[in-house]
Amino acid sequence: AQSVAQPEDQVNVAEGNPLTVKCTYSVSGNPYLFWYVQYPNRGLQFLLKYITGDNLVKGSYGFEAEFNKSQTSFHLKKPSALVSDSALYFCAVRDMSGGYQKVTFGTGTKLQVIP
Amino acid sequence: NAGVTQTPKFQVLKTGQSMTLQCAQDMNHNSMYWYRQDPGMGLRLIYYSASEGTTDKGEVPNGYNVSRLNKREFSLRLESAAPSQTSVYFCASSLRQDSNQPQHFGDGTRLSIL
Repeated sequence: AQSVAQPEDQVNVAEGNPLTVKCTYSVSGNPYLFWYVQYPNRGLQFLLKYITGDNLVKGSYGFEAEFNKSQTSFHLKKPSALVSDSALYFCAVRDMSGGYQKVTFGTGTKLQVIP
Repeated sequence: NAGVTQTPKFQVLKTGQSMTLQCAQDMNHNSMYWYRQDPGMGLRLIYYSASEGTTDKGEVPNGYNVSRLNKREFSLRLESAAPSQTSVYFCASSLRQDSNQPQHFGDGTRLSIL
């Protein structure tokens, strides 16, 4: 069975500082990993994905994520936070081995960027 | 480009009433999904449709039914609403269920059961 954990319910960061939102996963085979963002009263929006290849993945709005196979992590990062980055962030994983596997979402991390 | 459209956006029901949530996508995607979002629990898959003409249960299917009306439309029905079904419901679509492409989400239906 696959799973994903977001250990922090909320992350607070000052505007202009770097931000990190943590995600760890568990799969039996190779993972596909995704980050989504959700703004109030909106659906989830895709930010970036890791499929294979370069461990540093760049996505929308200046976000990037680092895939670490040994630590089974896929942390979301941004060099300089904006107030408009304040939102709910979801990590998701799909195990690509052994037939169909649904996408499993984490419980979400609320990012608060303080002016 | 509308993407995934859900109707209604808000609804209040009484216990025991029935209701159908509508979802349509205009991206020519093959796969569609229904999730519910509850505080602290992330998104949980209710039902999905890998392709037109097929539907399968997800994690939390009890109390729900679905219909894949055509390639564009995927509806979710609550036959006898219960307070435990108070939630925000999201419809999503993707090119294929087994692809590495992301899912595209609607803006949700906020459902309260009294």
